[in-house]
Amino acid sequence: ETGVTQSPTHLIKTRGQQVTLRCSSQSGHNTVSWYQQALGQGPQFIFQYYREEENGRGNFPPRFSGLQFPNYSSELNVNALELDDSALYLCASSLRLGGGNSPLHFGNGTRLTVT
Amino acid sequence: GENVEQHPSTLSVQEGDSAVIKCTYSDSASNYFPWYKQELGKRPQLIIDIRSNVGEKKDQRIAVTLNKTAKHFSLHITETQPEDSAVYFCASPRSYQLTFGKGTKLSVIP
Repeated sequence: ETGVTQSPTHLIKTRGQQVTLRCSSQSGHNTVSWYQQALGQGPQFIFQYYREEENGRGNFPPRFSGLQFPNYSSELNVNALELDDSALYLCASSLRLGGGNSPLHFGNGTRLTVT
Repeated sequence: GENVEQHPSTLSVQEGDSAVIKCTYSDSASNYFPWYKQELGKRPQLIIDIRSNVGEKKDQRIAVTLNKTAKHFSLHITETQPEDSAVYFCASPRSYQLTFGKGTKLSVIP
């Protein structure tokens, strides 16, 4: 069983630039969620993708966008980077069945630093 | 939306003692309550979860209890060991999304 993998592991960008983070979900999982974790805080929900469509969004502006591909992998794109975007970005996959929640399996995250 | 309050924010215990972390949630429709452990520089990892049709679940030294009436759930770690030192997060769902607490930093003193 292959776990959740994210790339890159670390990234440094300048304010105003754009960034793309990538995630491969755990085998057998069909749902991907993205979280932002600031230092010393709990993960904050950005959005979730299921069947290649966004399925719920947290309190993040439109410059945070994403994609899910037919193989269930996913991308998180952030435009017009701001200093406050510096954080650990976590991808989590899960298996959505008919109803109810299932455990999230997290990747190791991408540490984004905006200068 | 769902609001999850977690306390304490920090907890220090002597090795061998028990540790208890509590969370309250706001959405009475919530039916799934996981706990995650995050060691420094690592990913959050699920350590135990409970669904609303049971009041308690145990896995070796770890247990979770749920009180749906009061809308709170707790993590209990018995016979703590130094490797239990980490940040622990509770979470509660809103639809298919998980809302996390702010975390409890547990330090087990040898």
